[in-house]
Amino acid sequence: EAQVTQNPRYLITVTGKKLTVTCSQNMNHEYMSWYRQDPGLGLRQIYYSMNVEVTDKGDVPEGYKVSRKEKRNFPLILESPSPNQTSLYFCASSSHLSVFGNEQFFGPGTRLTVL
Amino acid sequence: TQLLEQSPQFLSIQEGENLTVYCNSSSVFSSLQWYRQEPGEGPVLLVTVVTGGEVKKLKRLTFQFGDARKDSSLHITAAQPGDTGLYLCAGADGSGSARQLTFGSGTQLTVLP
Repeated sequence: EAQVTQNPRYLITVTGKKLTVTCSQNMNHEYMSWYRQDPGLGLRQIYYSMNVEVTDKGDVPEGYKVSRKEKRNFPLILESPSPNQTSLYFCASSSHLSVFGNEQFFGPGTRLTVL
Repeated sequence: TQLLEQSPQFLSIQEGENLTVYCNSSSVFSSLQWYRQEPGEGPVLLVTVVTGGEVKKLKRLTFQFGDARKDSSLHITAAQPGDTGLYLCAGADGSGSARQLTFGSGTQLTVLP
């Protein structure tokens, strides 16, 4: 089954404790992104990757890091989480880019709470 | 930065009623996507509209792209409890970049049996 998986699905942590949220897709997609979803703000892009070893900042990159060492994996790293990073996080992948937009395939989400 | 405003933010209706959700902007988009997000899951693409004035139908859902490609609407006929979810619109700026999508804040729809 074609899918994007994320782990963990739920995480409660404390300020300053480094954490990693994993993301993996089995569709051989080149493009991957991380979004955060907050009430009233919609989905905001954190980082994206065009291919292996190619990553770039989205709209809200502060406090986050990513890596793309393999095509299928795109982990999100919070080196020193803070309460304002409490949010619902989605990983997404897409097969191609088009001027008419690209269909995003989303993972199930990771709900993160930073105390 | 392009902005997309969705209205209403929340909508609760009875089964069998009709409803319309709006997605508005002052910016022109090359396309408008509509996603539905169910509790505990990620958004799933329903449709993409590309041409100004375009109308697409998906069973009881009708999507329309404004003539000027600045707005879109989603109309649901005879809503059912299975339609419950968060409806998100997303506009593409036409750059073809991985950053080109702008998402609206969503309309939370609840259809009561």
